[in-house]
Amino acid sequence: EAGVTQFPSHSVIEKGQTVTLRCDPISGHDNLYWYRRVMGKEIKFLLHFVKESKQDESGMPNNRFLAERTGGTYSTLKVQPAELEDSGVYFCASSQASSGSYNEQFFGPGTRLTVL
Amino acid sequence: SQKIEQNSEALNIQEGKTATLTCNYTNYSPAYLQWYRQDPGRGPVFLLLIRENEKEKRKERLKVTFDTTLKQSLFHITASQPADSATYLCAPRPGGYNKLIFGAGTRLAVHP
Repeated sequence: EAGVTQFPSHSVIEKGQTVTLRCDPISGHDNLYWYRRVMGKEIKFLLHFVKESKQDESGMPNNRFLAERTGGTYSTLKVQPAELEDSGVYFCASSQASSGSYNEQFFGPGTRLTVL
Repeated sequence: SQKIEQNSEALNIQEGKTATLTCNYTNYSPAYLQWYRQDPGRGPVFLLLIRENEKEKRKERLKVTFDTTLKQSLFHITASQPADSATYLCAPRPGGYNKLIFGAGTRLAVHP
């Protein structure tokens, strides 16, 4: 079974440009999460989808970030316009439907974003 | 605010020894505490979860303890191998939350 996949693996853009990251979760996983690690810091939560609905977007840094999950399958994270401090590694994770107990989150390999 | 502390310095040990990594947290009471492994260029991989009412959890060569009084978890790898070299992340999680809150991680290097 395929794991969580992310595209691209690496993106280099200039400040002010737009970048769109894509995440394909494990098939059948209703929960999809975005996280990011900026240089030297810990991995931080950005937002959580349950199917196509945003369950928690408390970690989104500002309105330059827009996440979508149309149809409840893959998700995109758009940064527009990108700033230097947006550089880092963006991880996507997915998990099965919650039933009150813990469901393991499976992570993708991440997209390394470099803003010049 | 919630704070998670893991030893930022790399832990270097000899193959066959036991590696012990520490995770301390403050300003919240997690219902679960998880440990993840991360290799360079890859996403975190789940290893173990321990609940607040459990003192210890084991899985093969791994052992995790959870002391809610000390607000600390210890992660042990016995009979360590060079293949265990990686960064290990602690993620204490409050009940009712799905999102993970990670510590910065501790890099472990096991030398032959």
